Amino acid sequence: AQRVTQPEKLLSVFKGAPVELKCNYSYSGSPELFWYVQYSRQRLQLLLRHISRESIKGFTADLNKGETSFHLKKPFAQEEDSAMYYCALTRVQGGKLIFGQGTELSVKP
Amino acid sequence: DAGVIQSPRHEVTEMGQEVTLRCKPISGHDYLFWYRQTMMRGLELLIYFNNNVPIDDSGMPEDRFSAKMPNASFSTLKIQPSEPRDSAVYFCASSRLAYEQYFGPGTRLTVT
Repeated sequence: AQRVTQPEKLLSVFKGAPVELKCNYSYSGSPELFWYVQYSRQRLQLLLRHISRESIKGFTADLNKGETSFHLKKPFAQEEDSAMYYCALTRVQGGKLIFGQGTELSVKP
Repeated sequence: DAGVIQSPRHEVTEMGQEVTLRCKPISGHDYLFWYRQTMMRGLELLIYFNNNVPIDDSGMPEDRFSAKMPNASFSTLKIQPSEPRDSAVYFCASSRLAYEQYFGPGTRLTVT
């Protein structure tokens, strides 16, 4: 079964601390993985995707096929990073996105 | 481009009433998705269309829910009759490629 698991509903860190939002997936085949973010009172938007191997707003995510994980990391959290983060996957050819339950990141001053 | 447009932004209705949510996708996008977001269940895909044709409606909770896309620039999600457990934020999203979805602002539905 296709599934995305985000084990933490809430992650609270202090400004300047490293942050890691966990994402594990189960999928038979080669999926494409993404992170979406939803800031307070704003639309859900694409943050990054694994095929791009890019860093957006200081966030990076590495796809680990052996551990079937796609954790989102940032070395120094900022208050403006506080938001809901969703991990998602789809099959390589496209199709519907399967979202995880989401993790609320709270960065305290 | 104004992005994905949804209306109404807020809807309060009484149990048993019909509710219609509307979505205008981004011009040129050929995928349209309807999602429901609740605290308990997170973000759930209800149904999605490709070129106005429903592709997967397995997420539609029950027969009370229906969705249509009569043309490339308009879609509706209807709940008839509505129930308190339908209270949620409903998002519409569109994309040219299925994974790079652009979300609308959502419709917050409250059924009393």
